Amino acid sequence: KAGVTQTPRYLIKTRGQQVTLSCSPISGHRSVSWYQQTPGQGLQFLFEYFSETQRNKGNFPGRFSGRQFSNSRSEMNVSTLELGDSALYLCASSSADRGISGYTFGSGTRLTVV
Amino acid sequence: DAKTTQPTSMDCAEGRAANLPCNHSTISGNEYVYWYRQIHSQGPQYIIHGLKNNETNEMASLIITEDRKSSTLILPHATLRDTAVYYCIVRLYSGGGADGLTFGKGTHLIIQP
Repeated sequence: KAGVTQTPRYLIKTRGQQVTLSCSPISGHRSVSWYQQTPGQGLQFLFEYFSETQRNKGNFPGRFSGRQFSNSRSEMNVSTLELGDSALYLCASSSADRGISGYTFGSGTRLTVV
Repeated sequence: DAKTTQPTSMDCAEGRAANLPCNHSTISGNEYVYWYRQIHSQGPQYIIHGLKNNETNEMASLIITEDRKSSTLILPHATLRDTAVYYCIVRLYSGGGADGLTFGKGTHLIIQP
């Protein structure tokens, strides 16, 4: 079955702009999480959506937001980009049943802010 | 979630077993141990998880001590493709959905030819 798909793979934006990243989870997975990875801070949890509702949010400013659609696809948006937002943004999906299945990650979107 | 301590890096010869330790001395009774790995420039990959008992799957084995304060991930026959950063994560499982994973620095495992 298809894995987690993230688009675009690479993105270059200018400081002050905004950006929208997309994530399509594995078919049947209802939960989508987003992570930011930088060399300095490592992998950090941004937020998690389940059935179109944000359930958890990490310690990031309000410039970072997201949403989930009825088909479980998710988008994250970063407004007023800063140089420090340059990072690999990873999306992960998990199934909604009570089985413990771990998370499947996508390959990420590498965002460069100049 | 309980914090974990892992060595920064480890070497292992190709074909040998790679044993990656993780200390989680503050783990609570209903927290699980998860292992993920990240190969350069890719997203993390789930490997295995456990609560109390030792676990084995097609990728690895997980040995959890009886007091649950530490665990060891075992890759039985390491190959060059196992070179990656390995993350040990302890978290409370919420069956209704996904909570955020807390990644530490992990162990950079280097498989030597």
